[in-house]
Amino acid sequence: EPEVTQTPSHQVTQMGQEVILRCVPISNHLYFYWYRQILGQKVEFLVSFYNNEISEKSEIFDDQFSVERPDGSNFTLKIRSTKLEDSAMYFCASRGLKNTGELFFGEGSRLTVL
Amino acid sequence: DQQVKQNSPSLSVQEGRISILNCDYTNSMFDYFLWYKKYPAEGPTFLISISSIKDKNEDGRFTVFLNKSAKHLSLHIVPSQPGDSAVYFCAARTGANNLFFGTGTRLTVIP
Repeated sequence: EPEVTQTPSHQVTQMGQEVILRCVPISNHLYFYWYRQILGQKVEFLVSFYNNEISEKSEIFDDQFSVERPDGSNFTLKIRSTKLEDSAMYFCASRGLKNTGELFFGEGSRLTVL
Repeated sequence: DQQVKQNSPSLSVQEGRISILNCDYTNSMFDYFLWYKKYPAEGPTFLISISSIKDKNEDGRFTVFLNKSAKHLSLHIVPSQPGDSAVYFCAARTGANNLFFGTGTRLTVIP
């Protein structure tokens, strides 16, 4: 069964460092998302991406964040200068044309900022 | 942002009995409601959804009920199995793509 894959599974970084989280969405999907879950809190929307541009972003997705689809398969989330409060599990998701809200999530990348 | 609420952080049920997970929402513009299941160290997995124009959707052991007047939905699992033990997230969306998630309910099915 096709799945969304994410790397790395866990990254530890120093505050102020740049981090890139990578995702390979399901191959025929067109809509891509990043969500995050701070420990003990709800899963929160960060950004959606379609047709090589951001469709929507939340208040969390400030200038420190950026997304890119550098080739036909990868979808990346970059955090330019990490802060302690960026420590969270980051989930990539994708969907096809069916627009009933069903997203396919990856297993997540745990980011720990020290 | 408290548009989707799950007021019960945990629920324990005996194997074979019914599990009922509840969710409340505030935004009347939501057009789809979904339930996701999450195991530790895994991403959320889609379970079942319901359109805002329906009041019930059933898929095997899982049924979702929507009460729009009360802004309430529930997930029924019958019969509950030990493998159902996980965290269940209620989610909702407007016509846009992003989902609003609740805080989750940890279901434990006791063999």
